[in-house]
Amino acid sequence: ETGVTQSPTHLIKTRGQQVTLRCSSQSGHNTVSWYQQALGQGPQFIFQYYREEENGRGNFPPRFSGLQFPNYSSELNVNALELDDSALYLCASSPREGGSGETQYFGPGTRLLVL
Amino acid sequence: DAKTTQPNSMESNEEEPVHLPCNHSTISGTDYIHWYRQLPSQGPEYVIHGLTSNVNNRMASLAIAEDRKSSTLILHRATLRDAAVYYCILRGIQGAQKLVFGQGTRLTINP
Repeated sequence: ETGVTQSPTHLIKTRGQQVTLRCSSQSGHNTVSWYQQALGQGPQFIFQYYREEENGRGNFPPRFSGLQFPNYSSELNVNALELDDSALYLCASSPREGGSGETQYFGPGTRLLVL
Repeated sequence: DAKTTQPNSMESNEEEPVHLPCNHSTISGTDYIHWYRQLPSQGPEYVIHGLTSNVNNRMASLAIAEDRKSSTLILHRATLRDAAVYYCILRGIQGAQKLVFGQGTRLTINP
């Protein structure tokens, strides 16, 4: 069973550019969540996708957008990059079966540096 | 989102038990208590979760207070590989199944 994978592992961009980060969910999982983790902080929820639809969003501006594909893989897009967007971006997948006991399985993250 | 309070850091010795506390005084009746940990340079990893009763798995035990306003994650015999940031998280049943992370407890294990 393949776990959650993310690409690229590291990325350097400049202010104003756009970036796309990719995530492949664990086999059998239909829900993908994205988190942003600044240095020294806990991860912050960006949004979640369930069966290709956005299913909840955290306190992030519209320039953070996403997609989920029929195979449940996902993309996170960030437009007009700002210096504060420098962070570790984490993807997590889960089997949405209802209830609050579902475990989220995290990938290793993409480290984004905005100069 | 109901909040949790954890100590910023704790230290223990290898092969000794570790008790990581978490306060969640505003927990609602339907909130589950989840624990995740994040090893250096890795994504968070699920440890254990529970609702009312104490829970055990191969990684740890979770002791939940009778009033559910606090819980304790127990590592029975800490190893150097248990050095990580441990997050205590409450998850409700409404809305997106998101995890709301706090600052967590940074656990250091001494050889």
